This record gives sequence, C-alpha cells and structure tokens, in this order.
Amino acid sequence: ETGVTQSPTHLIKTRGQQVTLRCSSQSGHNTVSWYQQALGQGPQFIFQYYREEENGRGNFPPRFSGLQFPNYSSELNVNALELDDSALYLCASSTKDRVQETQYFGPGTRLLVL
Amino acid sequence: DQQVKQNSPSLSVQEGRISILNCDYTNSMFDYFLWYKKYPAEGPTFLISISSIKDKNEDGRFTVFLNKSAKHLSLHIVPSQPGDSAVYFCAASPNSGYALNFGKGTSLLVTP
Repeated sequence: ETGVTQSPTHLIKTRGQQVTLRCSSQSGHNTVSWYQQALGQGPQFIFQYYREEENGRGNFPPRFSGLQFPNYSSELNVNALELDDSALYLCASSTKDRVQETQYFGPGTRLLVL
Repeated sequence: DQQVKQNSPSLSVQEGRISILNCDYTNSMFDYFLWYKKYPAEGPTFLISISSIKDKNEDGRFTVFLNKSAKHLSLHIVPSQPGDSAVYFCAASPNSGYALNFGKGTSLLVTP
C-alpha cells in the first residue's frame, strides 16, 4: 500500500509570486485535506476535497485554492504570496467510506517566502 | 482561538517508565480525537484514536483516555522506549474526523 507523497519537499519563493504544491493520496482514499503548520504551532486546517469538490474550508483567504483530480491526487495553489505564508504544508488523505475518518499525512512541503 | 491545548511543551521520561501526555479541549461538539507522532522532517504519523462514545482505547503500548465532562484526554505510553522520542500532537474533530483541530504539540524525550 502506497502512502501519501508530496512534492516538492522544499521551495523558496518571493513575495507576490504564486506557488503550486502537489499531493498523491494513499491508495484507496477518496478525500484529501490540506494543512498549514507554522513554526512552533500545530497544523491548521486549510480545506478538504472529496470526490473533486471542495468539502469545507478553514479560516484561510481565497488566494488559497485547490484541486482534486479523478485519481484523487491534489494540488494546493497559493497566489500573491506573503511572508507569513512561510510554513510546512501538509497533505492528508482519508476515506469517507467509514464511520470515522482517520487522516494519514504526507511528509510535507516546506515553503519559504522571501 | 485555540480549541485544543497541550499545556506541556516538553516532557522527559526514563526508558521503561510511563509517559503521560495531556490534552484539553474547549469545543463540546468534538466527537473524535486522535494522537499523532511527528519526527523532524516527516509528516505526522497516526498513533491512536478514540470516539466520544468511549472513554478508553488501547493499542499495544498506547492507551488513550477520554474524560468528556472535563474535556480532557491523555495518551499513556507504557513502557516508554527511546524510539518514542518525538513531538506528539493531539487533534480533535467536530464531525467524525473531518477538519482536525490540533494542539501545539508536546515534545517527548525518552532517556536510556
């Protein structure tokens, strides 16, 4: 069984630029969630995609957007990067076919905005 | 507004002893709780979970206790091993695992 993978592992961008982060879900999972983890903090929920539709969003502005593809892989796009966007971005996959949904995380992409 | 709190940033325990990590929450709508372990440069690894209809769940060396009236949960690791040294995150969900709310983590160090 393949786990959750993310690319790239590290990325450096400048303020105002746009970035796309990628995630490949664990085999058999139909749901993907994205989280932002700032230094010294716990992960914060950005949004979730279920069967290619956004299924809920946390307290993040519209410049954070996403996509989920038919093979359940996913992208997180961030426009107009700000310095505070520097963080570890985590993708988690799960399945909604069970009573409770346990999320399994990838290794993350560390983004630095200069 | 931090709805999940882990008030101990760090904990040091001797190998073979019990490690107890604590977590408090404020939202009474949370119905599913999880513990994750995180090593540096890796993503969080799922450890154990508990539904709000239970007060205890056990998996090998790991046991999670839930006290709904106190809005408190704890993770017990017995016996602790040096490989358990990591940051432990408590997470809670208002809808059976959707949109996890995380604490800030507790760094556990298990010394030989």
